Amino acid sequence: RKEVEQDPGPFNVPEGATVAFNCTYSNSASQSFFWYRQDCRKEPKLLMSVYSSGNEDGRFTAQLNRASQYISLLIRDSKLSDSATYLCVVNGDRDDKIIFGKGTRLHILP
Amino acid sequence: GAVVSQHPSWVICKSGTSVKIECRSLDFQATTMFWYRQFPKQSLMLMATSNEGSKATYEQGVEKDKFLINHASLTLSTLTVTSAHPEDSSFYICSARDPTPEQFFGPGTRLTVL
Repeated sequence: RKEVEQDPGPFNVPEGATVAFNCTYSNSASQSFFWYRQDCRKEPKLLMSVYSSGNEDGRFTAQLNRASQYISLLIRDSKLSDSATYLCVVNGDRDDKIIFGKGTRLHILP
Repeated sequence: GAVVSQHPSWVICKSGTSVKIECRSLDFQATTMFWYRQFPKQSLMLMATSNEGSKATYEQGVEKDKFLINHASLTLSTLTVTSAHPEDSSFYICSARDPTPEQFFGPGTRLTVL
């Protein structure tokens, strides 16, 4: 099983719709989880951290399911500007090692 | 807060030359810095992890003699690509973190080796 696994997509979603994607991780001892967003030819930017109790920021909701070892990202009322690649990030075996998923591409259609 | 800069933002060089890329944390002290490489339409690949004042830890398959990393202070890390070849052309991105787990990324350096 890969350390961090994401559906590469692309997810083609009409503007205004709700979209959700998951990310599974293999290391049950992982403690830190994040979603990053990367636009084409740009650096990744932190979107939100994922806490055990879940985390909501405006239209974005992130959740952690430790039992099944996955995190999720839900985007409501999607905007054209949400089109990007969303990277799932999990800390690995060592405290300072962060593992990136390969990303899920999202295209919001007008 | 949490701004990371990289310099240069792009560089074109001849094959065989060495290129140095700087990564600075502007408003925080970075206990750890990371260097990544990303080829077109591919995912980020971690190259090495460096802690201030100690030797970098390289990922498997990354040549430490080719990619020299220096992390001399809590706000500066440098990556030198020695004897660059066309296959080294890529997008190099650094990230930095303070004691919290989040990483903050620099804007990246696009290297083209002719």
